[in-house]
Amino acid sequence: DGGITQSPKYLFRKEGQNVTLSCEQNLNHDAMYWYRQDPGQGLRLIYYSQIVNDFQKGDIAEGYSVSREKKESFPLTVTSAQKNPTAFYLCASRGLGGRGTEAFFGQGTRLTVV
Amino acid sequence: RKEVEQDPGPFNVPEGATVAFNCTYSNSASQSFFWYRQDCRKEPKLLMSVYSSGNEDGRFTAQLNRASQYISLLIRDSKLSDSATYLCVVTTNQAGTALIFGKGTTLSVSS
Repeated sequence: DGGITQSPKYLFRKEGQNVTLSCEQNLNHDAMYWYRQDPGQGLRLIYYSQIVNDFQKGDIAEGYSVSREKKESFPLTVTSAQKNPTAFYLCASRGLGGRGTEAFFGQGTRLTVV
Repeated sequence: RKEVEQDPGPFNVPEGATVAFNCTYSNSASQSFFWYRQDCRKEPKLLMSVYSSGNEDGRFTAQLNRASQYISLLIRDSKLSDSATYLCVVTTNQAGTALIFGKGTTLSVSS
């Protein structure tokens, strides 16, 4: 089945620790995105990538890093520099070109600092 | 002006009611428009794309007004299962442009 998979579903991080969230898609989509959602809030863009080995900062990139070594994979690292990382993290992918290319989302990762 | 704005609600309506949501966008070059639905603690899922000519899918109707830069979603004969947050999404199809989400409008349908 084609789709986009995030792991883990739940993640607990200690203060000062880096953690990496996985996002994999087999939809052959060019673009991939990471969003953060806080309770009762909308989605805020962290990073996005339209092609392998290239990515751009979104609105809230500070304290996060990404890589795009393969078309299928776009992992997000939450570094110790991110002071308030507890949130719901969503990864999405979409094709580029054509009409109305919608985005597909993974099921999300809930990150909690303990 | 924010790129994509929605009335956050909540909209509280009885079953069978008709409810409409509006969304305004600031980038006149925007080309693609979508409505997503997000249930509590779940990922957003595509409800429908919005085309220039307007489109309908069962009880749901989406319309685009480019001159005024807004899109709308009409839900007829509301069901309890329609209770969710509805997200307006705008993008251009030019490479390098990200999806821009509104903050969402919350709908609660009661019996």
